[in-house]
Amino acid sequence: QQQVKQSPQSLIVQKGGISIINCAYENTAFDYFPWYQQFPGKGPALLIAIRPDVSEKKEGRFTISFNKSAKQFSLHIMDSQPGDSATYFCAARAGNQFYFGTGTSLTVIP
Amino acid sequence: EAQVTQNPRYLITVTGKKLTVTCSQNMNHEYMSWYRQDPGLGLRQIYYSMNVEVTDKGDVPEGYKVSRKEKRNFPLILESPSPNQTSLYFCASSVSGNRGFSSTDTQYFGPGTRLTVL
Repeated sequence: QQQVKQSPQSLIVQKGGISIINCAYENTAFDYFPWYQQFPGKGPALLIAIRPDVSEKKEGRFTISFNKSAKQFSLHIMDSQPGDSATYFCAARAGNQFYFGTGTSLTVIP
Repeated sequence: EAQVTQNPRYLITVTGKKLTVTCSQNMNHEYMSWYRQDPGLGLRQIYYSMNVEVTDKGDVPEGYKVSRKEKRNFPLILESPSPNQTSLYFCASSVSGNRGFSSTDTQYFGPGTRLTVL
């Protein structure tokens, strides 16, 4: 049973466009929501994270939008660049355990 | 350089042959964890450790063992590997598992170990 549902599975965006990846959850015990970026052959690396008492967090071109009532959160990548082409994972933490989404493969076309 | 290292990076073995994948971090982190990554399933947590001699099951612990005798090391042991354990494995560490909501919660991942069980 996937505790964090992520969509879409893959995404193709033109350079300069906006990439949007969505995640949904049911477990109200989740208290921390990080996003990870993974390049081929590498381990995931933390991109940005949010706590549930905040509706939005922005770091550079990356923004997390969080809707606590809907139990949904999303990653927005503004002005997408070819270097952003990677796999993105949303995740959620409950206690000491982490649950990851199934990943989104993003391709940014020059 | 602050890092999480895993060895080996690639391993091909046969069913039933015990193996150990090592993980070491040089950041004095308390929390360490093992994940497996499979296509279409994302990363799933196998075991985690809050500190020395403190380990607990994650979401998919069956068929795996861990130990945490030293703060820096967290080996993953497969006593009798089976083909369904063929996967990409990642070790990760963070300062603490659940303290605060800032950089202390950043999990640093190792480079991965690709395991094939024939």
